Amino acid sequence: LAKTTQPISMDSYEGQEVNITCSHNNIATNDYITWYQQFPSQGPRFIIQGYKTKVTNEVASLFIPADRKSSTLSLPRVSLSDTAVYYCLVGISGGYNKLIFGAGTRLAVHP
Amino acid sequence: DTGVSQDPRHKITKRGQNVTFRCDPISEHNRLYWYRQTLGQGPEFLTYFQNEAQLEKSRLLSDRFSAERPKGSFSTLEIQRTEQGDSAMYLCASSSGREASYEQYFGPGTRLTVT
Repeated sequence: LAKTTQPISMDSYEGQEVNITCSHNNIATNDYITWYQQFPSQGPRFIIQGYKTKVTNEVASLFIPADRKSSTLSLPRVSLSDTAVYYCLVGISGGYNKLIFGAGTRLAVHP
Repeated sequence: DTGVSQDPRHKITKRGQNVTFRCDPISEHNRLYWYRQTLGQGPEFLTYFQNEAQLEKSRLLSDRFSAERPKGSFSTLEIQRTEQGDSAMYLCASSSGREASYEQYFGPGTRLTVT
């Protein structure tokens, strides 16, 4: 299983761009990189998924370098409502996509 | 609302009692997962169903835990003889099983407190 390492916490201010980097040195060829967001007392919510280069959706961008040993979740112009825990996951090759969560990054957005 | 629903949202029980939680997945999803989350930690996988078949159980799932998904629709998670260490948020998720997609839809969870 590919282990992921991400910062325990980050602080930002409203309107800033936030970049959360995740290391996954042992990522397998068929693994995808997925990010989830979780608010207190709620279940996690899928944000974005990618395999290589850059993926962008209406919420975030995901940057993955060529060696795929790390990835960066970019949140543009954060607001107070982006305060949450963000999890980086590397998918198990094949099978049924059992999710393995780490401790995540606690992002606090300040006014 | 067509999302994943869980019932009850909160459960307080005394040690030694049995509890049962229910999860209703998104109707067209054939894959259903149970996770457990303790304070300050990410969710931990407990078990997985594809349709009505339970295909994997984590070693975290002791003999006191049992899960079912009759007819491949809703699922129940039962904990027998609860212990204080069972206190946690129990999350259910479902997915459509599209290849190479790790998008799972989580319910709001059931928070269990064992006193």
